[in-house]
Amino acid sequence: DVKVTQSSRYLVKRTGEKVFLECVQDMDHENMFWYRQDPGLGLRLIYFSYDVKMKEKGDIPEGYSVSREKKERFSLILESASTNQTSMYLCASSPTGTIGGTDTQYFGPGTRLTVL
Amino acid sequence: AQKVTQAQTEISVVEKEDVTLDCVYETRDTTYYLFWYKQPPSGELVFLIRRNSFDEQNEISGRYSWNFQKSTSSFNFTITASQVVDSAVYFCALRRHGSGNTGKLIFGQGTTLQVKP
Repeated sequence: DVKVTQSSRYLVKRTGEKVFLECVQDMDHENMFWYRQDPGLGLRLIYFSYDVKMKEKGDIPEGYSVSREKKERFSLILESASTNQTSMYLCASSPTGTIGGTDTQYFGPGTRLTVL
Repeated sequence: AQKVTQAQTEISVVEKEDVTLDCVYETRDTTYYLFWYKQPPSGELVFLIRRNSFDEQNEISGRYSWNFQKSTSSFNFTITASQVVDSAVYFCALRRHGSGNTGKLIFGQGTTLQVKP
């Protein structure tokens, strides 16, 4: 079974703090993703990585950065947390499809971040 | 433009009722993939099914069935004889065929299903 784990289920931080969210997958997947989930908006892609040290911006990258130093680990960084970044953050990974592109994404349990 | 619409925000049924969750998508691509995910109260999205645009056969897996109709750009999900454990948020998603950012998932807003005993 694919296993995607996230470092925390719940996190409370203060405005202006630097926040690290960690994601680890154990299936040797090439691709990893960070989404945020907000009521009525579904999931929105923040950043995507298709290889070590490679990253691409998603739909809402502002206020976030990412790091992928090892294949199994993908970190989301909030340089200076703000209250509008209070949300559920979901990490996913996927293999590269046999005919190119990314295959089915598998998700971690999520981190519910509250910024006060 | 790519878009997924799940018009039903919340659905409430009584156990053993059948329920259909609607999903309508927009894309100009000829090759694409459609997905359904389940998000139980624990928070983790669980993959349910993936369909590619060339396969319009309906699929059944136990109490779950999916009806893919390209003519109406719909990919609806039916749960037969619903159970309390089916209570969750269900997401429909679309992915283009391609690599990099073009291969990203585009999610609908989600439908919250509550199954009452």
